[in-house]
Amino acid sequence: AQKVTQAQTEISVVEKEDVTLDCVYETRDTTYYLFWYKQPPSGELVFLIRRNSFDEQNEISGRYSWNFQKSTSSFNFTITASQVVDSAVYFCALRTGGYQKVTFGTGTKLQVIP
Amino acid sequence: SAVISQKPSRDICQRGTSLTIQCQVDSQVTMMFWYRQQPGQSLTLIATANQGSEATYESGFVIDKFPISRPNLTFSTLTVSNMSPEDSSIYLCSALGLAGSPDIQYFGAGTRLSVL
Repeated sequence: AQKVTQAQTEISVVEKEDVTLDCVYETRDTTYYLFWYKQPPSGELVFLIRRNSFDEQNEISGRYSWNFQKSTSSFNFTITASQVVDSAVYFCALRTGGYQKVTFGTGTKLQVIP
Repeated sequence: SAVISQKPSRDICQRGTSLTIQCQVDSQVTMMFWYRQQPGQSLTLIATANQGSEATYESGFVIDKFPISRPNLTFSTLTVSNMSPEDSSIYLCSALGLAGSPDIQYFGAGTRLSVL
């Protein structure tokens, strides 16, 4: 069975602060994919990043960075210098290699206060 | 990325009626899925829409309640039948297997359904 845990239900930060969203996953498969999605108030899920299990390189994209650590089964997401437009619900998700269905975490609601 | 259009974007329906949601992808995809997101909750997979055959339903979801069609590689419909207030949710269409991004699952903007 696969499982994704996002322990942080809601986070509030003041604009320009850095914030890290935690994601811990469970799977017995050696091949898997991890994802982060953003869901703004409009409701659409916006794809942010995909990482496969064989690539532990951290990634940076502008103000966003992701830290993938297989040793702790974590795939954390950091927003640097947060902005009001970052306010959304963020979902971490997992798909194992031969299994096309995606398991979503429960989401972390981020509120950035101006 | 894929453009996934869902119609309607929102609706308010009476108990006992049915609503059909349409999902159109702007290019051919391997797989299409339907999810439900209840207020303040995560996404729950309803079913995988199979092209030319019956959909594959997850535990707790049945064809009589959520009939699904997928006549081709770019289009699918989900019907919510005999609705009750408990069906009030966001319903999201998703597509996987887009050329150039075969491992990324994209989502439509969702249909916000309220049942009175």
